[in-house]
Formats: sequence, structure tokens, C-alpha cells
Amino acid sequence: SQQGEEDPQALSIQEGENATMNCSYKTSINNLQWYRQNSGRGLVHLILIRSNEREKHSGRLRVTLDTSKKSSSLLITASRAADTASYFCATARGPNNDMRFGAGTRLTVKP
Amino acid sequence: DTGVSQDPRHKITKRGQNVTFRCDPISEHNRLYWYRQTLGQGPEFLTYFQNEAQLEKSRLLSDRFSAERPKGSFSTLEIQRTEQGDSAMYLCASSLPPGIAPNNEQFFGPGTRLTVL
Repeated sequence: SQQGEEDPQALSIQEGENATMNCSYKTSINNLQWYRQNSGRGLVHLILIRSNEREKHSGRLRVTLDTSKKSSSLLITASRAADTASYFCATARGPNNDMRFGAGTRLTVKP
Repeated sequence: DTGVSQDPRHKITKRGQNVTFRCDPISEHNRLYWYRQTLGQGPEFLTYFQNEAQLEKSRLLSDRFSAERPKGSFSTLEIQRTEQGDSAMYLCASSLPPGIAPNNEQFFGPGTRLTVL
């Protein structure tokens, strides 16, 4: 069964704008990861945030984690048309870091 | 090694036929995962291997599904007596051992898209 829920399901913005996607989950986690998937392709790992971290940056990506609210957000700044893709959060839990994915946010960046 | 590879990339079959997919993980990765993804959804966990041992299977993996990793390298996923509801993208991923990659970052292959007519 899927663990996370992304919000919104779909997001359409203009190039240069910022895109924010949210993820909520239900159980305790070890870490939370964000992946990107271009249409019909495999997933690419973007960034990981551990349960004891609150914020992390990687290039134009900023991820926050609020374990009290069981939620995370992914911010993509200065978006580009090439950022158009589906974005998934995945939670890792348990002794084996079992990962479960949400349903994703489909981001469209218009040039 | 260029990453996780999967074969075939596309498979069209008739209902009732058997199909087999192959996944070749990154060579030093001892963990291998299978996921199923339907349109508009995230990947759903099916099963995973540590070396040749199959350690966990999802309830989604009915008795028509079987996965193997006989030598701890490549893996196969077989679906017997396919049904239209099996149509999906089947994704394979691999990761380093927990002692080296404690956060379990998984590297995904391009997937095999199955269409059951």
C-alpha cells in the first residue's frame, strides 16, 4: 500500500516561477526522499532528508520536513520547462528502510 | 556500468499468456526491488531481494507472480496467466548494502511497460 500523499495532484506554472509540492505520510519514518519521473521513464533520485533534519538544499531544490505534522515539502525555485515531470515522495521506515511512494504531483512548467 | 537495465522495455501480450521480465542491477548493489506502477500513480512495492534471498513480498504479489534472483545478480519477474489488470509499468531498482548506503537510496531502471490485451 502507498504511504505518502502528494498535494497538489497537478501543478502548472510559468517558467521562472517557484513550484511547491507537499507530501503527507502516516507512520514514523527514517527518512523521506523525493524522486522525479519523466513521462514513461524510470525514477531519478533528487534529494533525501533524514527524520532528524528539518531542511535541506540541493541546487534549486529545497526540502523541508516536519515530523510532528508528518509532512514534507519540495520547493523548486526558478523553474524551467525541463523541470516538467512527475515528482514523488517516498518514505523509508523500519529496520530495512522499506520505501513506500506517494501518488505524485504532476508538474508542468510552461515556457 | 551504466545503471539499472530492464528488458524488454515494452511487452504486449494476450490475456492468459505468461510473460517474463528481466532486471540487471548496478553490479555492486546487493539489494534489488520490483515495483509496479499504474498510470497516474506512484510505484507500488512488490518484492525485494538481498543477494539471492527474497526477503519481502507484498500482498499485491499474487500467486500468478513469481520473482527470482538465482545468483544474486540479475532478477526475473514472471507473471503467469496474465490479466488485463496486470497492464502497468514494472520498475526495478537496486541499492547498496545497508552498511554502505544506510539511507537506502534506490536507483531505478527505465521500466518494462506491459500491455495485456
